[in-house]
Amino acid sequence: DSGVTQTPKHLITATGQRVTLRCSPRSGDLSVYWYQQSLDQGLQFLIQYYNGEERAKGNILERFSAQQFPDLHSELNLSSLELGDSALYFCASSVGDRGTSETQYFGPGTRLLVL
Amino acid sequence: GDSVTQMEGPVTLSEEAFLTINCTYTATGYPSLFWYVQYPGEGLQLLLKATKADDKGSNKGFEATYRKETTSFHLEKGSVQVSDSAVYFCALSRGAQKLVFGQGTRLTINP
Repeated sequence: DSGVTQTPKHLITATGQRVTLRCSPRSGDLSVYWYQQSLDQGLQFLIQYYNGEERAKGNILERFSAQQFPDLHSELNLSSLELGDSALYFCASSVGDRGTSETQYFGPGTRLLVL
Repeated sequence: GDSVTQMEGPVTLSEEAFLTINCTYTATGYPSLFWYVQYPGEGLQLLLKATKADDKGSNKGFEATYRKETTSFHLEKGSVQVSDSAVYFCALSRGAQKLVFGQGTRLTINP
């Protein structure tokens, strides 16, 4: 158990819909990362938050957004869903200290299926 | 930009065989290097890491050495078990920044 929790574990929805994925980081970690794992793209970094602020953005579509709340949990919002958004979405957390080599700890993932 | 290349899979071995999964990277400076493992139906778990040249990471019988001169971080294990069957990902990062992953190598160990 990494200490990172994600809900829900599975999500089935229809095209055009909107969903919210939730992540709680390990106790003491300030940084949260979101990744997408798909068969054709592999593991891709989407976005990073640190202590409530966006720190880095990767290959995140404009239809997707995220935020980190004062209690440090994070939510990834996916809207106007398309079939191609079907993937496994992982959240990871780390302390967030830029000056050190950090390990990211991953949650179990949310499997999204868009029909 | 930074990138990671892993040997193509899938890899199938018999129990107790020697394992090598090749990983090379392209990056400036000295990123940290990682191996993550994903068991069926689960998330990614850190297997081992190395943070500077010539460092050796090791865990559960797996080893990998950070080779700056060949920009490599190959994963090895002397005697694999059926329970090692999983997908293995090589990755790099700089400080508290995103992980850049290789494409993953699916390993199957037959009894």
